[in-house]
Amino acid sequence: DQQVKQNSPSLSVQEGRISILNCDYTNSMFDYFLWYKKYPAEGPTFLISISSIKDKNEDGRFTVFLNKSAKHLSLHIVPSQPGDSAVYFCAASAGGNTGKLIFGQGTTLQVKP
Amino acid sequence: EAGVAQSPRYKIIEKRQSVAFWCNPISGHATLYWYQQILGQGPKLLIQFQNNGVVDDSQLPKDRFSAERLKGVDSTLKIQPAKLEDSAVYLCASSPGSSYNEQFFGPGTRLTVL
Repeated sequence: DQQVKQNSPSLSVQEGRISILNCDYTNSMFDYFLWYKKYPAEGPTFLISISSIKDKNEDGRFTVFLNKSAKHLSLHIVPSQPGDSAVYFCAASAGGNTGKLIFGQGTTLQVKP
Repeated sequence: EAGVAQSPRYKIIEKRQSVAFWCNPISGHATLYWYQQILGQGPKLLIQFQNNGVVDDSQLPKDRFSAERLKGVDSTLKIQPAKLEDSAVYLCASSPGSSYNEQFFGPGTRLTVL
Protein backbone atom coordinates (compact mmCIF):
# COMPACT_ATOMS: atom_id res chain seq x y z
CA ASP A 1 0.00 0.00 0.00
CA GLN A 2 1.79 3.08 -1.30
CA GLN A 3 0.55 5.89 0.95
CA VAL A 4 2.81 8.52 -0.64
CA LYS A 5 3.16 8.53 -4.40
CA GLN A 6 5.34 10.45 -6.79
CA ASN A 7 3.93 9.44 -10.14
CA SER A 8 6.56 11.11 -12.28
CA PRO A 9 9.84 9.18 -12.15
CA SER A 10 11.68 11.96 -13.96
CA LEU A 11 11.41 15.59 -15.01
CA SER A 12 13.60 17.66 -17.31
CA VAL A 13 13.52 21.48 -17.38
CA GLN A 14 15.61 24.26 -18.85
CA GLU A 15 17.81 26.36 -16.60
CA GLY A 16 15.98 29.48 -15.40
CA ARG A 17 12.51 27.97 -15.83
CA ILE A 18 10.22 26.62 -13.14
CA SER A 19 10.41 23.02 -11.92
CA ILE A 20 7.25 21.55 -10.44
CA LEU A 21 7.47 18.23 -8.62
CA ASN A 22 4.27 16.57 -7.52
CA CYS A 23 3.32 14.23 -4.72
CA ASP A 24 0.01 12.57 -3.80
CA TYR A 25 -0.94 10.88 -0.56
CA THR A 26 -3.80 8.71 0.58
CA ASN A 27 -3.70 8.85 4.38
CA SER A 28 -5.82 11.73 5.69
CA MET A 29 -4.04 11.45 9.05
CA PHE A 30 -0.81 12.85 7.61
CA ASP A 31 -0.23 16.26 9.15
CA TYR A 32 3.35 17.08 8.23
CA PHE A 33 5.08 16.92 4.88
CA LEU A 34 8.71 17.25 3.85
CA TRP A 35 10.81 17.35 0.72
CA TYR A 36 14.30 15.88 0.56
CA LYS A 37 16.95 16.22 -2.11
CA LYS A 38 19.44 13.47 -2.89
CA TYR A 39 22.58 13.58 -4.98
CA PRO A 40 24.20 10.33 -6.21
CA ALA A 41 26.27 8.50 -3.59
CA GLU A 42 25.05 10.85 -0.86
CA GLY A 43 22.29 10.62 1.71
CA PRO A 44 19.11 12.68 1.36
CA THR A 45 19.18 16.27 2.58
CA PHE A 46 16.19 18.01 4.15
CA LEU A 47 14.95 20.75 1.85
CA ILE A 48 11.64 22.22 3.03
CA SER A 49 8.60 21.20 5.04
CA ILE A 50 4.99 22.19 5.58
CA SER A 51 2.46 21.59 8.30
CA SER A 52 -1.10 20.67 7.40
CA ILE A 53 -2.34 23.89 8.99
CA LYS A 54 -0.70 25.81 6.15
CA ASP A 55 -1.16 25.69 2.40
CA LYS A 56 2.14 27.25 1.40
CA ASN A 57 5.68 27.52 2.68
CA GLU A 58 8.45 29.38 0.95
CA ASP A 59 12.22 29.29 1.39
CA GLY A 60 14.21 31.18 -1.19
CA ARG A 61 13.78 29.54 -4.58
CA PHE A 62 11.77 26.67 -3.09
CA THR A 63 8.04 26.76 -2.36
CA VAL A 64 5.88 23.90 -1.23
CA PHE A 65 2.12 23.99 -1.79
CA LEU A 66 -0.33 21.76 0.05
CA ASN A 67 -3.85 21.00 -1.15
CA LYS A 68 -5.44 18.96 1.63
CA SER A 69 -8.74 18.41 -0.12
CA ALA A 70 -6.93 16.86 -3.08
CA LYS A 71 -4.33 15.17 -0.86
CA HIS A 72 -1.68 16.68 -3.08
CA LEU A 73 1.48 18.64 -2.55
CA SER A 74 3.94 20.15 -4.94
CA LEU A 75 7.43 21.60 -4.82
CA HIS A 76 8.19 24.59 -7.02
CA ILE A 77 11.75 25.59 -7.80
CA VAL A 78 12.14 29.02 -9.38
CA PRO A 79 14.41 29.66 -11.11
CA SER A 80 15.82 26.19 -11.69
CA GLN A 81 19.59 25.82 -11.72
CA PRO A 82 21.80 22.96 -12.98
CA GLY A 83 22.87 22.31 -9.37
CA ASP A 84 19.25 21.43 -8.59
CA SER A 85 19.61 18.25 -10.65
CA ALA A 86 19.00 15.47 -8.14
CA VAL A 87 16.40 13.00 -6.91
CA TYR A 88 13.62 14.63 -4.89
CA PHE A 89 11.64 12.67 -2.33
CA CYS A 90 8.47 13.81 -0.66
CA ALA A 91 7.65 12.35 2.73
CA ALA A 92 4.71 12.51 5.12
CA SER A 93 4.12 11.97 8.80
CA ALA A 94 0.99 11.42 10.86
CA GLY A 95 2.73 12.53 14.02
CA GLY A 96 3.75 16.08 13.23
CA ASN A 97 7.43 16.75 12.80
CA THR A 98 8.39 13.75 14.89
CA GLY A 99 6.16 10.94 13.68
CA LYS A 100 7.17 8.06 11.43
CA LEU A 101 8.05 9.26 7.94
CA ILE A 102 6.60 7.61 4.86
CA PHE A 103 8.55 8.40 1.69
CA GLY A 104 7.48 8.54 -1.93
CA GLN A 105 9.47 6.80 -4.66
CA GLY A 106 11.32 9.90 -5.75
CA THR A 107 11.46 12.05 -8.89
CA THR A 108 14.71 12.62 -10.75
CA LEU A 109 15.03 16.25 -11.81
CA GLN A 110 17.40 17.23 -14.59
CA VAL A 111 18.01 20.92 -15.18
CA LYS A 112 19.62 21.55 -18.53
CA PRO A 113 21.96 24.52 -19.00
CA GLU B 1 31.23 19.71 12.00
CA ALA B 2 31.69 16.10 10.88
CA GLY B 3 28.68 14.47 9.27
CA VAL B 4 27.12 11.06 9.80
CA ALA B 5 29.70 8.38 9.03
CA GLN B 6 28.83 4.94 7.71
CA SER B 7 30.90 1.93 6.83
CA PRO B 8 31.41 0.02 4.72
CA ARG B 9 30.22 2.00 1.71
CA TYR B 10 29.71 -1.13 -0.38
CA LYS B 11 29.25 -4.79 0.48
CA ILE B 12 28.63 -7.85 -1.67
CA ILE B 13 27.67 -11.11 -0.01
CA GLU B 14 26.09 -14.44 -0.87
CA LYS B 15 22.58 -15.19 0.33
CA ARG B 16 22.43 -16.80 3.76
CA GLN B 17 25.60 -15.00 4.82
CA SER B 18 25.68 -12.42 7.60
CA VAL B 19 26.56 -8.75 7.29
CA ALA B 20 26.90 -5.80 9.64
CA PHE B 21 26.80 -2.07 9.03
CA TRP B 22 28.19 0.60 11.28
CA CYS B 23 27.00 4.17 11.85
CA ASN B 24 28.62 7.01 13.77
CA PRO B 25 26.13 9.88 14.18
CA ILE B 26 26.91 13.54 14.52
CA SER B 27 28.31 14.25 17.96
CA GLY B 28 25.61 15.09 20.47
CA HIS B 29 22.71 13.82 18.37
CA ALA B 30 20.32 11.87 20.56
CA THR B 31 18.18 10.34 17.83
CA LEU B 32 19.47 7.79 15.34
CA TYR B 33 17.59 6.19 12.45
CA TRP B 34 18.25 3.28 10.13
CA TYR B 35 16.47 3.28 6.76
CA GLN B 36 16.37 0.76 3.94
CA GLN B 37 16.14 2.11 0.42
CA ILE B 38 15.43 -0.44 -2.28
CA LEU B 39 16.21 0.63 -5.84
CA GLY B 40 13.37 2.72 -7.27
CA GLN B 41 11.73 3.27 -3.89
CA GLY B 42 11.96 5.84 -1.15
CA PRO B 43 13.69 5.17 2.15
CA LYS B 44 11.78 3.03 4.64
CA LEU B 45 12.39 3.41 8.35
CA LEU B 46 13.68 0.22 9.94
CA ILE B 47 14.42 1.41 13.48
CA GLN B 48 14.66 4.62 15.47
CA PHE B 49 16.71 5.06 18.64
CA GLN B 50 16.43 7.82 21.21
CA ASN B 51 19.79 7.71 22.98
CA ASN B 52 20.22 3.95 23.45
CA GLY B 53 16.52 3.11 23.68
CA VAL B 54 14.35 1.91 20.79
CA VAL B 55 11.52 4.29 19.86
CA ASP B 56 10.16 2.45 16.83
CA ASP B 57 11.18 -0.86 15.28
CA SER B 58 7.80 -1.82 13.84
CA GLN B 59 9.18 -2.26 10.31
CA LEU B 60 12.33 -4.14 11.28
CA PRO B 61 12.20 -7.82 10.15
CA LYS B 62 13.21 -9.10 13.52
CA ASP B 63 13.69 -12.69 12.39
CA ARG B 64 16.80 -11.65 10.50
CA PHE B 65 17.59 -8.02 11.29
CA SER B 66 18.94 -6.68 14.55
CA ALA B 67 20.27 -3.30 15.61
CA GLU B 68 21.87 -1.88 18.67
CA ARG B 69 23.11 1.46 19.85
CA LEU B 70 25.54 0.97 22.64
CA LYS B 71 26.13 3.90 25.00
CA GLY B 72 23.76 6.01 22.92
CA VAL B 73 26.38 6.85 20.30
CA ASP B 74 27.46 4.44 17.53
CA SER B 75 25.06 1.93 16.10
CA THR B 76 25.29 -1.34 14.20
CA LEU B 77 22.68 -2.97 11.99
CA LYS B 78 23.04 -6.69 11.33
CA ILE B 79 21.38 -9.03 8.86
CA GLN B 80 21.60 -12.75 9.54
CA PRO B 81 20.98 -14.57 7.27
CA ALA B 82 20.72 -12.30 4.24
CA LYS B 83 18.18 -12.83 1.47
CA LEU B 84 18.23 -11.63 -2.12
CA GLU B 85 15.52 -9.06 -1.34
CA ASP B 86 17.77 -7.40 1.24
CA SER B 87 19.77 -5.85 -1.59
CA ALA B 88 19.38 -2.12 -0.95
CA VAL B 89 21.10 0.99 0.33
CA TYR B 90 21.06 1.20 4.11
CA LEU B 91 20.97 4.77 5.32
CA CYS B 92 21.76 6.00 8.79
CA ALA B 93 20.54 9.40 9.97
CA SER B 94 20.77 11.35 13.19
CA SER B 95 19.17 14.42 14.73
CA PRO B 96 19.64 16.32 17.98
CA GLY B 97 16.01 15.75 18.92
CA SER B 98 13.29 13.97 17.03
CA SER B 99 12.49 16.80 14.61
CA TYR B 100 12.96 15.90 10.95
CA ASN B 101 14.00 19.41 10.02
CA GLU B 102 17.25 18.71 11.84
CA GLN B 103 17.81 15.21 10.50
CA PHE B 104 21.12 14.52 8.78
CA PHE B 105 21.75 11.45 6.64
CA GLY B 106 24.94 9.54 6.07
CA PRO B 107 26.05 8.45 2.57
CA GLY B 108 24.65 4.95 3.01
CA THR B 109 25.93 1.41 2.55
CA ARG B 110 25.03 -0.31 -0.70
CA LEU B 111 24.42 -4.01 -0.08
CA THR B 112 24.25 -6.54 -2.88
CA VAL B 113 23.11 -10.05 -2.03
CA LEU B 114 23.93 -12.65 -4.70
